[in-house]
Amino acid sequence: GQNIDQPTEMTATEGAIVQINCTYQTSGFNGLFWYQQHAGEAPTFLSYNVLDGLEEKGRFSSFLSRSKGYSYLLLKELQMKDSASYLCAVSKTGGSYIPTFGRGTSLIVHP
Amino acid sequence: SAVISQKPSRDICQRGTSLTIQCQVDSQVTMMFWYRQQPGQSLTLIATANQGSEATYESGFVIDKFPISRPNLTFSTLTVSNMSPEDSSIYLCSVAGGPNSPLHFGNGTRLTVT
Repeated sequence: GQNIDQPTEMTATEGAIVQINCTYQTSGFNGLFWYQQHAGEAPTFLSYNVLDGLEEKGRFSSFLSRSKGYSYLLLKELQMKDSASYLCAVSKTGGSYIPTFGRGTSLIVHP
Repeated sequence: SAVISQKPSRDICQRGTSLTIQCQVDSQVTMMFWYRQQPGQSLTLIATANQGSEATYESGFVIDKFPISRPNLTFSTLTVSNMSPEDSSIYLCSVAGGPNSPLHFGNGTRLTVT
């Protein structure tokens, strides 16, 4: 099986930077996804990391360390609309590559 | 990315009845899946909808309870059978272009069973 751990909830201030961590334990690791889910809406894809290192997309960046089983999502210049749940999902090799999701981190951005 | 239309968006059903959820994609997709998201929880994969053959179910989910159809590469249905209040959840259709492709989700069906 897979163990995927994320903090349950985080709070941050508008304009600040926040880092959401995700650790995982799995055999046959293939890649790691980050999704954003606003309340009452479907998850939307943010990033996908396969190799070690940092992937930057505008205000959002995602980092992966395969040897440490660790990833983080970095959100810069926080806006109120960034208040959402952030889901880490891990895909494995040797099968259909369907990702398994963590429980998600609820981020609350306040003024 | 593909446009995914899922309906109904929500429903309130009585225990013992069944509900069929439809998922229509605007383009042919290789992989289609059905997920469940219970209140405050993450997404749990129910099954992979296979075109022209029986769905592949995850541990804890069975065909009699969650029959799935996928007659072609753009359409699938999930039926929640003989419902109980424990089936109250959001059910999400998702698609992917292939291995290592991100999943894209429909807007979900919010089901309440009374």
